Amino acid sequence: AQKITQTQPGMFVQEKEAVTLDCTYDTSDPSYGLFWYKQPSSGEMIFLIYQGSYDQQNATEGRYSLNFQKARKSANLVISASQLGDSAMYFCAMRERGQGGSEKLVFGKGTKLTVNP
Amino acid sequence: GAGVSQSPSNKVTEKGKDVELRCDPISGHTALYWYRQSLGQGLEFLIYFQGNSAPDKSGLPSDRFSAERTGGSVSTLTIQRTQQEDSAVYLCASSRHGRTDTQYFGPGTRLTVL
Repeated sequence: AQKITQTQPGMFVQEKEAVTLDCTYDTSDPSYGLFWYKQPSSGEMIFLIYQGSYDQQNATEGRYSLNFQKARKSANLVISASQLGDSAMYFCAMRERGQGGSEKLVFGKGTKLTVNP
Repeated sequence: GAGVSQSPSNKVTEKGKDVELRCDPISGHTALYWYRQSLGQGLEFLIYFQGNSAPDKSGLPSDRFSAERTGGSVSTLTIQRTQQEDSAVYLCASSRHGRTDTQYFGPGTRLTVL
């Protein structure tokens, strides 16, 4: 079963408008972390924002904010005042515990965001 | 400071050949991860190193894949007898302490197996 679900393969937004990228997750671990990464056409994965499961407030980083609804297991990314340079793939990921205390990120399939001028 | 670096950026090889991919983590980061990104499978975890602990190899897809980390820093991912399905972008990431810290990714190595 998918642990990270991103239901929007593609999204379009006008420059300067806000956009919300959806992410739902599934875990039975009470302690987890949620991440959003941006991957432009150059290919590099760029860290955007992090939300811990015990964090009381929604995370914010500049124009990025995370709408964390724990009971609904959703962690949507909100980008305000979209810019042309925001056009990229966006991945939601969850930190998952592995063997012997290791950890790894489990990724969703991504949302391709296109910002129109 | 310098980010995670990977080499080569692109690698084209013939089926059956061995390849080595290199990752230089951010200085001071003790945890290192390899992931694979392919069109069909998305982003998949391959292996995790943390300090001197035994690595978590649970994501390696077959025994043709191996990785080592020398001196707690540089890591090499080796794929023996490459197959066409190994074609993908191989991403390396590092973090300060592993369990609770953000993973920062390198630019990746695009591997093409002909």
